[in-house]
Amino acid sequence: AQRVTQPEKLLSVFKGAPVELKCNYSYSGSPELFWYVQYSRQRLQLLLRHISRESIKGFTADLNKGETSFHLKKPFAQEEDSAMYYCALRVGNQGGKLIFGQGTELSVKP
Amino acid sequence: ETGVTQTPRHLVMGMTNKKSLKCEQHLGHNAMYWYKQSAKKPLELMFVYSLEERVENNSVPSRFSPECPNSSHLFLHLHTLQPEDSALYLCASSPLIAGGANEQFFGPGTRLTVL
Repeated sequence: AQRVTQPEKLLSVFKGAPVELKCNYSYSGSPELFWYVQYSRQRLQLLLRHISRESIKGFTADLNKGETSFHLKKPFAQEEDSAMYYCALRVGNQGGKLIFGQGTELSVKP
Repeated sequence: ETGVTQTPRHLVMGMTNKKSLKCEQHLGHNAMYWYKQSAKKPLELMFVYSLEERVENNSVPSRFSPECPNSSHLFLHLHTLQPEDSALYLCASSPLIAGGANEQFFGPGTRLTVL
C-alpha cells in the first residue's frame, strides 16, 4: 500500500530549539519525497525535495530507505517557521500522483 | 495574475444546486490536479489531467465531474452534493518531465460549504 504517515499533529518548540518533523512512507517502488509547507493565509508550496539534497530556509531532509523515513530537520527554529508541514510521496511517472501525509502543525514560540 | 488561480474562493450551495469550480494556470504546465482537503484528513487527490486527458480518477463519486478544455483551465462541476462534501478544494498544476520530481504548484483553494 502507498501511504505517508506524519505521526505528530502538532509540534510546539521554543525559538532557537532544534526541530524534527517526522515522516514515514510505505511504497514498493523507488520513492520520491517532498516536503510542502503552508504558512498562515498562504497557499501550499514546495519546501524541498529529496533528490535535490538542498537546504531551504535552514531545513534539510534525508531519505532513509532502510527506515522508510524522510524526516524534516532544522537546528534552530525561528518564529517564522510556524506553519503546517506536509510530507508527500510521488508515485507513478510523468507529473505523477502525490500522496500526502496528514500534516504537522509547527508552532515556534518566542 | 500569475501562478494558479481559483474561483470562486468561497462557495455556499444547497444539496440540489449545480455549481462549478474553476482553476486557471499561467505557468505553461501540462498536468493539472484536483485535491480535496477536509478537516482532520490528509489532502486527497481526486483527479489528474495530463495533456488534457484524465489519467487518474480516485474513486470519486459521480456528483463531482471534472473538465479540462485546455491545458490552462480545469473545472470541477458539482451537482447534488452532500454536506460531507464541504471542504477546501485545491487545484494544482505541474510540468510534465519524464522521470523528474515535478513540483506541483497549488492554487489558493475554494472553500465549499454544502448546506
